[in-house]
Amino acid sequence: GESVGLHLPTLSVQEGDNSIINCAYSNSASDYFIWYKQESGKGPQFIIDIRSNMDKRQGQRVTVLLNKTVKHLSLQIAATQPGDSAVYFCAENISDSSYKLIFGSGTRLLVRP
Amino acid sequence: NAGVMQNPRHLVRRRGQEARLRCSPMKGHSHVYWYRQLPEEGLKFMVYLQKENIIDESGMPKERFSAEFPKEGPSILRIQQVVRGDSAAYFCASSPRQVNTGELFFGEGSRLTVL
Repeated sequence: GESVGLHLPTLSVQEGDNSIINCAYSNSASDYFIWYKQESGKGPQFIIDIRSNMDKRQGQRVTVLLNKTVKHLSLQIAATQPGDSAVYFCAENISDSSYKLIFGSGTRLLVRP
Repeated sequence: NAGVMQNPRHLVRRRGQEARLRCSPMKGHSHVYWYRQLPEEGLKFMVYLQKENIIDESGMPKERFSAEFPKEGPSILRIQQVVRGDSAAYFCASSPRQVNTGELFFGEGSRLTVL
């Protein structure tokens, strides 16, 4: 069935290094993608989004890349900090159900001091 | 400028009891969305409500689950005769209008444990 999934369940990086979190999606009808950060015991927090007519979008220390050919998106975090330790989810939004986000299963990012 | 408020934050129930989870949206928001998160999984859409209306409940289990968003007061997610499989974190999000965007404002969640 249609799904959003992640390649790596846990990612450990050294503080100061760059992090790359990957996500695969299978629904070619999806036109909007979002990355969320979820810290332990808290709700998901919006990080960055990208529409399907773009292949790259940058925010503060974060970049999202979208490759529609292989249905893949990634989240890059520059100069990873201890406060970046969390679970990161990608989510897709199918245009005919615009409020119904489909979340992936998450990647845990651990930042080593 | 309070965000989305959910309570209780933690709830323990025995099998067969009822669970009521409450969500107060951000001020000025009239759209509420409930999502469920099982341990180590992503969130899954349950229901979308506006004031006094259920817009989409396609993610709600057919039995035992119900949701409402009355004219006055918080939105309520009610689970009757809880079973162990209902143990999860239940998140509420709100928006000022129907959104085609990821910028839903999520609450901190209510964590239900069924013994």
